[in-house]
Amino acid sequence: QLQLQESGSGLVKPSQTLSLTCAVSGGSISSGGYSWSWIRQPPGKGLEWIGYIYHSGSTYYNPSLKSRVTISVDRSKNQFSLKLSSVTAADTAVYYCARVVVRSGYVYFDYWGQGTLVTVSS
Amino acid sequence: SSELTQDPAVSVALGQTVRITCQGDSLRSYYASWYQQKPGQAPVLVIYGKNNRPSGIPDRFSGSSSGNTASLTITGAQAEDEADYYCNSRDSSGNHPETVFGGGTKLTVL
Repeated sequence: QLQLQESGSGLVKPSQTLSLTCAVSGGSISSGGYSWSWIRQPPGKGLEWIGYIYHSGSTYYNPSLKSRVTISVDRSKNQFSLKLSSVTAADTAVYYCARVVVRSGYVYFDYWGQGTLVTVSS
Repeated sequence: SSELTQDPAVSVALGQTVRITCQGDSLRSYYASWYQQKPGQAPVLVIYGKNNRPSGIPDRFSGSSSGNTASLTITGAQAEDEADYYCNSRDSSGNHPETVFGGGTKLTVL
């Protein structure tokens, strides 16, 4: 059974960079042609897609966050990472990592991490 | 980018059928996927593609689509189905495979 686990700093100061890692276990991050994604959810609000990294290494980001986001993969450690720069209080959210299937007619997120709360505060 | 619109809240009597809808231009081109989220938990995929259920999802959950509207139907709602439900699809506004979530529907089982 595939499992994903987020880790990283739970408290980030305004203007600094948020950094999170998602460790994948129970399967290889390089197999199956799957892609990997980050999604966030501000307290009491809905889900917001941040971006994904394809199995090919190509990255695609939410246009509203694109200038501040970097998603990368470390295949040797079977994990992928998120960096979000110049954070403000509006970036306070639960951050989820997920496996994603992207096809010509649809997209879906089939495995999710448990989520980690990141608070932006001085 | 495209938007997906959901009713904020829907209620259903125990054992009855409820339909949760999602509207958006991208749904004319792409199928929706649906997620169930209970308080304090990560979302769980319940429907994807034309009408596919992942292993372990009860067959009372089904999906359909018509025009710019996708629907998640729960036939014979159970108390444990009370949750927030989110739709998701590819974004049709650009040439890249961005994706977008609906705002979510809170389902109450009476």
